[in-house]
Amino acid sequence: GESVGLHLPTLSVQEGDNSIINCAYSNSASDYFIWYKQESGKGPQFIIDIRSNMDKRQGQRVTVLLNKTVKHLSLQIAATQPGDSAVYFCALSQGAQKLVFGQGTRLTINP
Amino acid sequence: DAGITQSPRHKVTETGTPVTLRCHQTENHRYMYWYRQDPGHGLRLIHYSYGVKDTDKGEVSDGYSVSRSKTEDFLLTLESATSSQTSVYFCAISDFQGRTEAFFGQGTRLTVV
Repeated sequence: GESVGLHLPTLSVQEGDNSIINCAYSNSASDYFIWYKQESGKGPQFIIDIRSNMDKRQGQRVTVLLNKTVKHLSLQIAATQPGDSAVYFCALSQGAQKLVFGQGTRLTINP
Repeated sequence: DAGITQSPRHKVTETGTPVTLRCHQTENHRYMYWYRQDPGHGLRLIHYSYGVKDTDKGEVSDGYSVSRSKTEDFLLTLESATSSQTSVYFCAISDFQGRTEAFFGQGTRLTVV
C-alpha cells in the first residue's frame, strides 16, 4: 500500500529565513503530491500540489519539488513569517479515491 | 471557508457505547472522507465515499462504519467505542474536478473512557 514518511518531526527556523520540509514516499503510482498546513486547533488546509509528471511548481512564497527517482518531495517556504508556524503534512493521491498523509513536521519560527 | 460542518465538536463517551459523528457539507462535493488524527500517526483514512450510498474502507476501518444517504451528509459510527478510538476525527470533502484540494472540517475530539 501507500506509505508516506517525513524526515523530521520538528523544524525550527529564524524569521525571514527559508524553510525546507522534506517527505519520502513509497508508492510510484500516485497521481498527485500535495502539501497541507495545519494550525493548532484547526483542520488541515491545502497549500499546493504537484502532478506526478512535473518536478517543480511554485506558488506564493512556496515551491514544491518532486524527485521521482528517489521518491522524494519537498516544500520550500521563502522568507518565513510567524504565521507559517504550523504542522505541515505531505500527502499523495491516486485518483480521487484516497488521500494518504504523512506524519507531519512541526515548523516553529523563531523571532 | 468551505461549507463543511462537523458535529459534535467534542464528545466524551463510555467504552462499549455506540457513537455517531456527523459531517455536513453545503458544497455539493462528490467525495467525502473520514480521518482520525493521533500523535505520531498523522492523519489516517478511516472510510471514504465517492457518491450517495457508495463508500469504501480506508487504512484503519476496523470498528467503524459509515453511511451516506444524501450528498451533503456523511456519518461515521463507532459500533462499540473502545479507548483506542479516542482521537480527533476530521471530515474532508473534495470534488477532484482537475484539482486535488480537499477541504477539512474543524474536527471532533472524541474521548472514550
